[in-house]
Amino acid sequence: RKEVEQDPGPFNVPEGATVAFNCTYSNSASQSFFWYRQDCRKEPKLLMSVYSSGNEDGRFTAQLNRASQYISLLIRDSKLSDSATYLCVVNIRQDSGAGSYQLTFGKGTKLSVIP
Amino acid sequence: NAGVTQTPKFRILKIGQSMTLQCAQDMNHNYMYWYRQDPGMGLKLIYYSVGAGITDKGEVPNGYNVSRSTTEDFPLRLELAAPSQTSVYFCASSRQGVFEKLFFGSGTQLSVL
Repeated sequence: RKEVEQDPGPFNVPEGATVAFNCTYSNSASQSFFWYRQDCRKEPKLLMSVYSSGNEDGRFTAQLNRASQYISLLIRDSKLSDSATYLCVVNIRQDSGAGSYQLTFGKGTKLSVIP
Repeated sequence: NAGVTQTPKFRILKIGQSMTLQCAQDMNHNYMYWYRQDPGMGLKLIYYSVGAGITDKGEVPNGYNVSRSTTEDFPLRLELAAPSQTSVYFCASSRQGVFEKLFFGSGTQLSVL
């Protein structure tokens, strides 16, 4: 299994729609989980951390299922400004170097919200 | 508060040339990172540092070198540039490593021709 795998996308949704992104990770010992947002040709920015109990920030809800090694992001009432690529990020033990845990990024899922 | 500052924003190199990508942060973060992002791909970790004088390899270190002589600066050196190093490079820092958010610089678009 790839270390951090996301829905390939792209997702094209109308304004006001609800959209969900899924992400699976390979390391059962991982402890840190995040969703980042990346606009075209820009740096990634933290959208939200993901906690075991699930967490919500306005229209955004993140869920973690440790047993299935699965993370999700739900966006309700999509806005045009939500159009971006959403990156799933998990700390995974590195095969190289000192073998420490480092943040590993998925390839991202592109979302386009259409008027 | 400038955050993480990367220079240059764009650079074109010829095969075999060398250059240094500069990265500086003013948040007193111990942890600093260099990532590269190829089109349609996730960010790949090149090197990281947990404090001044301490660096270690990430997933894709070949062809790169780093140094961390101060807490603020974490330059990335490309020796003998190759077309495979054409990419967007991001520097990032964090206060507590993998448990807190990464603050990214605005990136360097590098083309090796």
